[in-house]
Amino acid sequence: EAGVVQSPRYKIIEKKQPVAFWCNPISGHNTLYWYLQNLGQGPELLIRYENEEAVDDSQLPKDRFSAERLKGVDSTLKIQPAELGDSAVYLCASSLDSYTGELFFGEGSRLTVL
Amino acid sequence: TQLLEQSPQFLSIQEGENLTVYCNSSSVFSSLQWYRQEPGEGPVLLVTVVTGGEVKKLKRLTFQFGDARKDSSLHITAAQTGDTGLYLCAGIYGGATNKLIFGTGTLLAVQP
Repeated sequence: EAGVVQSPRYKIIEKKQPVAFWCNPISGHNTLYWYLQNLGQGPELLIRYENEEAVDDSQLPKDRFSAERLKGVDSTLKIQPAELGDSAVYLCASSLDSYTGELFFGEGSRLTVL
Repeated sequence: TQLLEQSPQFLSIQEGENLTVYCNSSSVFSSLQWYRQEPGEGPVLLVTVVTGGEVKKLKRLTFQFGDARKDSSLHITAAQTGDTGLYLCAGIYGGATNKLIFGTGTLLAVQP
């Protein structure tokens, strides 16, 4: 069975440019998470979806970040415009539901903003 | 704001040595997980502990959940180079909506 798939793996852009990341969760997983991870640190939650509903987006900087999960499957995370401080790894994870607790992560998308 | 502090932040040891990583919070967890992350990969779940005082063993790794469910430790016996990676604890806080918070991380380097 395929795991969580993310793309692109790497992205280099100049500041003020837009960027988008895509995530395909494990089939049948209702809960999808986007995390931001800085080098050597723990992931920080940006947004959590239950099916197509965003149930926790309190840590998402809504002035420049947006996310969607159409039809409750794939998800896209967008940053517009990107800032230097946005350079990080963006991890997508999925789980059967929020109550099982076990998260399965993708390999991440590493963003570098110049 | 819930905070999970891990210590040490960084650990470099020789193969064959033992080590312990700590995960502490002022809040009570409904359960706690430990993940390991290798470079260029996402974190992978190692274990989930649920009951206060619980001890779980995974080969050379021993995980302990504090009696009050506010802290946890990971002990590795006779470390190997393959144990190198970022170790993350993650606490699940119950309530109306379960929330999972990751710790600050411990970067382990095992030298041959």
